[in-house]
Amino acid sequence: DTEVTQTPKHLVMGMTNKKSLKCEQHMGHRAMYWYKQKAKKPPELMFVYSYEKLSINESVPSRFSPECPNSSLLNLHLHALQPEDSALYLCASSPKGQIGSGELFFGEGSRLTVL
Amino acid sequence: AQSVTQLDSHVSVSEGTPVLLRCNYSSSYSPSLFWYVQHPNKGLQLLLKYTSAATLVKGINGFEAEFKKSETSFHLTKPSAHMSDAAEYFCVVSDLDGGATNKLIFGTGTLLAVQP
Repeated sequence: DTEVTQTPKHLVMGMTNKKSLKCEQHMGHRAMYWYKQKAKKPPELMFVYSYEKLSINESVPSRFSPECPNSSLLNLHLHALQPEDSALYLCASSPKGQIGSGELFFGEGSRLTVL
Repeated sequence: AQSVTQLDSHVSVSEGTPVLLRCNYSSSYSPSLFWYVQHPNKGLQLLLKYTSAATLVKGINGFEAEFKKSETSFHLTKPSAHMSDAAEYFCVVSDLDGGATNKLIFGTGTLLAVQP
């Protein structure tokens, strides 16, 4: 199994809603990532978890709250988002404890629209 | 600091003709370089990687790239384009700063169109 599975694929939410994005991998990877990608732009790193501990937070606003319940799961909790937060949110994992290998396995993303 | 520059934002080729996507890098030491592909409404997939072994790197789907230190380049090539190659391609360098915050630095992307 070489997949990173993200749910939901599409999400529409209002600015006062609370929602969560979920990511799951069963490849035994110990580093997991959240990226944000706006249209026609490269992905931007948001968070990195290494061995279930948050190791990188790229100064992301607190309305985005990551959680890594175990080595296979990664959540991104969303609250009080702004329309400019509308984007494709990509989850990825890598075989080593940190990003140094450069080999990331990406999910297909969750496309978020904030009204 | 490491960086990559993708020299073309759009490239259009005819099916069956060669593909060349250009990437230049800047690094203060021997870099790790990658090419990722993203098909429409999909996640990214690793095409190939260079990590200081052979300078000519072969990847999936017939793509290859050559690391040229003298030219600080890592161009992606394919002898014959297929319609299914139409996608966005990202050149990436690993920001190995020796600390605990290694990151991937993405280029701005090249959109490859393949004409029938």
